[in-house]
Amino acid sequence: DIVMTQSPDSLAVSLGERATINCKSSQSVLYSSSNKNYVAWYQQKPGQPPKLLIYWASTRESGVPDRFSGSGSGTDFALTISSLQAEDVAIYYCQQYYAISWTFGQGTKVEMK
Amino acid sequence: EVQLLESGGGLVQPGGSLRLSCAASGFTFSNSAMSWVRQAPGKGLEWVSTISDSGDVTYYADSVKGRFTISRDTSKKTLFLQMNSLRAEDTAIYYCVKGGLSSRWAAYWGQGTLLIVSS
Repeated sequence: DIVMTQSPDSLAVSLGERATINCKSSQSVLYSSSNKNYVAWYQQKPGQPPKLLIYWASTRESGVPDRFSGSGSGTDFALTISSLQAEDVAIYYCQQYYAISWTFGQGTKVEMK
Repeated sequence: EVQLLESGGGLVQPGGSLRLSCAASGFTFSNSAMSWVRQAPGKGLEWVSTISDSGDVTYYADSVKGRFTISRDTSKKTLFLQMNSLRAEDTAIYYCVKGGLSSRWAAYWGQGTLLIVSS
């Protein structure tokens, strides 16, 4: 299985400041024929199911605020929240869908400082 | 609006069986692969199983292979997960997810149904 490892496990950011979450895959999830990275990011708030934020590593899902952005290629990816808002407090997961058997990172808890 | 409504969770003894259902609406069910993802209390996300849009191809996590069976009824727009030989470690919220295979990522998630395996 492809292992997805996120860092840090948690981070506290002040209102309006930048938050960056990293995700590393144990093998490349870049499909060469399409030049697409098979990585998605999800946000999960307490008591709610995960919500899709980003797919193809950097494409924002419709309706997701533009303060959320994804970057990276190959094995190293990042989710950045450019200006943290109170409603962004949540756990964030990266996921690979390169393999049929999806795998997720362990999650990063983002809190307000 | 895409809606996925799971049902069937509950308390089951170890070794028991249960079937989860997921009623889908708001999209062309027959055109989408579907998956189950679970989340143990206070833990992360674990992919469980995926079924193709036609229902003829299925995939399972090693942790459930041979015990769980995913299926779908296109006429009823319903996804199922038959769970047998349940173990304590199967305790989790089970989410029905639109996505997998050619449908790629987990585009939509149901609210989840809680399974507790305990004596």
